[in-house]
Amino acid sequence: RKEVEQDPGPFNVPEGATVAFNCTYSNSASQSFFWYRQDCRKEPKLLMSVYSSGNEDGRFTAQLNRASQYISLLIRDSKLSDSATYLCVVNTGFQKLVFGTGTRLLVSP
Amino acid sequence: GAVVSQHPSRVICKSGTSVKIECRSLDFQATTMFWYRQFPKQSLMLMATSNEGSKATYEQGVEKDKFLINHASLTLSTLTVTSAHPEDSSFYICSARDLRQNYGYTFGSGTRLTVV
Repeated sequence: RKEVEQDPGPFNVPEGATVAFNCTYSNSASQSFFWYRQDCRKEPKLLMSVYSSGNEDGRFTAQLNRASQYISLLIRDSKLSDSATYLCVVNTGFQKLVFGTGTRLLVSP
Repeated sequence: GAVVSQHPSRVICKSGTSVKIECRSLDFQATTMFWYRQFPKQSLMLMATSNEGSKATYEQGVEKDKFLINHASLTLSTLTVTSAHPEDSSFYICSARDLRQNYGYTFGSGTRLTVV
């Protein structure tokens, strides 16, 4: 079993749609959680951290369920510029980040 | 915010040669930097953790004699791919964490290595 698992997609949605991505992780001792965005052939860029209480940043909402070892990202009112690969990232301790393979999102006009 | 500069962005080299990739933290000090490798349509895989003033820590399966890491200062880490082979062709990315911030790791822009 992979340490961090994501549905690779692609998710094809029209502009304005709401889309949700899920991620599960296997290490129950994982300490911190992030969503990164990666555009084609570019480096990952931090989208948001994920907190147990849930957190929101504009159109993006992240949730963490430690009991189920599950992380989610919700994007509302999708824009064309949201098209990218979204990486679920888990800090398993000692600053070691483990990346999911990413979920690809394609937003169409 | 924290900025990590990585050079070169792209390099093509012949089999058997060595390639050096630099990673610099521009506005913060990083006692630890991380080197990742990403093959097409795969996730980033941690290769090694670079520690300022001491030996790097390599992940299982990564050859330390092939991937030489030097972290001689608080703002610079280098990765040298020695005796490069075509299968070493990949996207190499470094990252560091600004401990003044509470979250997140900043990544360099990556180096696309092609070995011919």
